[in-house]
Parts: sequence; structure tokens; C-alpha cells
Amino acid sequence: KNQVEQSPQSLIILEGKNCTLQCNYTVSPFSNLRWYKQDTGRGPVSLTIMTFSENTKSNGRYTATLDADTKQSSLHITASQLSDSASYICVVSAKASGGSYIPTFGRGTSLIVHP
Amino acid sequence: SQTIHQWPATLVQPVGSPLSLECTVEGTSNPNLYWYRQAAGRGLQLLFYSVGIGQISSEVPQNLSASRPQDRQFILSSKKLLLSDSGFYLCASTWGPPPPTFGAGSRLTVL
Repeated sequence: KNQVEQSPQSLIILEGKNCTLQCNYTVSPFSNLRWYKQDTGRGPVSLTIMTFSENTKSNGRYTATLDADTKQSSLHITASQLSDSASYICVVSAKASGGSYIPTFGRGTSLIVHP
Repeated sequence: SQTIHQWPATLVQPVGSPLSLECTVEGTSNPNLYWYRQAAGRGLQLLFYSVGIGQISSEVPQNLSASRPQDRQFILSSKKLLLSDSGFYLCASTWGPPPPTFGAGSRLTVL
């Protein structure tokens, strides 16, 4: 069964500090992995997307890594800001039967940045 | 790029009343379309997905149903809402391998 596990479940940090969120998956066959940021009451917004051959992808202060061998990904946030407070969701897509792509979602990590 | 339009944004309905949430997609043709529900403090739960007009797959048995009357239109419905149907509903779209692009969501409260 395809699964995506995220840790920690929640995280509180001080403004300006760095943090790293983890994502472990057992999705097969792997197609790609995407990190989303979801503000409260809003739809998720894509931060990064990585395919099998990519190890690192950056988007401003967000850097995602992917280790396809260990099936792990991380999202590193540098110099956190109050606006980074949100839920961060890891999504891994696999190619399903019939040629469609079904994403598997992690439960998300809730990040709170305090001043 | 794809744009997802979802409405209404907020809905308060009594138990037993019907439901209709609508989603339309711009910027692509023949997308895969998805309805997700996100309960408070929980992850995203896939409810339905569709690979084409009139083609609906249900992931979770419940009193909700979905329809796809047009290529870029996806509707989530219920004949009689339950309290447990309260939640945040997200429509999403994919075209090819990438994970979904999401709409802004619809907050449903059943009283």
C-alpha cells in the first residue's frame, strides 16, 4: 500500500531560525514528489516538485532534497519568517493502472513561527 | 498553467439538506480531476477522481457523489448531508505526471 509519512507532526520555532521537515514514502512506481504549503483555510500551494533524477530543488528560502534510494525527502526552511506559519504537505505520485497518476498525501507538518 | 475555480468558498447547511460544490478548470484539456476532504487536524482524504467525462472513481464509500458533465467541470453532491460531512473540500487537477494543482477550497459546516 502506498504511504507517505511526515515528521514532525507539529513544530514551533522562533523567527529567523532554520528548520527541516521530513517525508518518508513507500509509493511505487515513483513518479515525482512535491511539497505544498497550505495556509489555514486555503488550498495547498506548490513549493517544489522533484522527479527521480533530482536530488535538490530550491525555491527562495525553501530547499527540498530527495533520496530515491532511501525514499526520503526533506524540506529545509532558512531564516524563517512569521508568514511561514502553515501546514506543509508532502505528496508523492505514482503511475496507476490505466495510465493515470494518483497522488498519495502525507498528513502534513504544522509549522508555527513565533516572533 | 492550470487554474482551478471552486465555489462556494463557504457553506453552512442543515443536516439532511442537499449539497452541490462546483469546480472548473482553466488552462488545460482532458485533465484528471479530484475531490479531497480535509477534516480539522487531519490530512487530505481522496474522495473521488475522474479521468474523463462521465468517468468517476470513488475511493471512500459515503453519502457523497461526484459527476463530471463536461471535460473541465467536476461537481461534488449529496442528497442528504450528515454532521460528519463537515470539512474543507478541495478540488484538484492534474495533466500528466505532476501532483495536483488545487483550488482555494470550500468550507462546509453542517449544523
